[in-house]
Amino acid sequence: EPEVTQTPSHQVTQMGQEVILRCVPISNHLYFYWYRQILGQKVEFLVSFYNNEISEKSEIFDDQFSVERPDGSNFTLKIRSTKLEDSAMYFCASSVLGGAGTDTQYFGPGTRLTVL
Amino acid sequence: QKEVEQNSGPLSVPEGAIASLNCTYSDRGSQSFFWYRQYSGKSPELIMFIYSNGDKEDGRFTAQLNKASQYVSLLIRDSQPSDSATYLCAATDRGSTLGRLYFGRGTQLTVWP
Repeated sequence: EPEVTQTPSHQVTQMGQEVILRCVPISNHLYFYWYRQILGQKVEFLVSFYNNEISEKSEIFDDQFSVERPDGSNFTLKIRSTKLEDSAMYFCASSVLGGAGTDTQYFGPGTRLTVL
Repeated sequence: QKEVEQNSGPLSVPEGAIASLNCTYSDRGSQSFFWYRQYSGKSPELIMFIYSNGDKEDGRFTAQLNKASQYVSLLIRDSQPSDSATYLCAATDRGSTLGRLYFGRGTQLTVWP
C-alpha cells in the first residue's frame, strides 16, 4: 500500500540554524500539507500546497517557514532560523482530491525536530 | 476560532467491551469528520470518515454524526488491547480551500486484557 514517507525521522539542531524537512507524498496525490504536534498538544495545521503554490497557511506559518516542491516527488518544509518553540513532530500529509467530496488525508510517519 | 473538543480521558475498558469516544465541534460549517488513531510517538492513522448524519459502520468501528448537535462519536466493538492508543477527532473547514483539518486533543484509550 502506498505511503507518505518523511526524512529524517529525527533532526537535532541548534537554535538559529536552518532545517529542511523532506517528504515524499503518495505518488498519485496532488495536494500536500504540513502539520505539527508539540509534545502533549493538538495536531496543528501549518500549510497546504497545490500546483506549486501555497493554498492556505495558518498563523503559525510565519516568514520563518517556507515550502517547496523541488522536483516531481519531494515536498519540503524549511525553517529558516529555528527557535526553541519549533521543537515538535512535523507531519506531512497528502490527498487525492484536496478536501473535495470524500477526500481524506494520509499522514507520513513524521520528523521529530529538537531545537537546542 | 474553530475548535474540536474531546474528553482527554483516559478511557479504560476491558477486552471485548465497547469503547465510546466523543467529540464536539464549534463550527457549523464543518462538513467532513475524521477519526484518526495515534500510537505514542507515531503519526495519525486514519480509521474512519463520516460526512452524513447518522451511523457509518466499518468492521468493529462505528462512527456517528449529529450535525444539529455538532457531535461526532466513535464506537469500538469487541475492543482489543491493540486498540490502546489516542484517538483524534478532526473536522474540515467549509471555508478552507484544500480541506484543512482541525484536530481535537485526543482521547487516550486503554483496553486491558
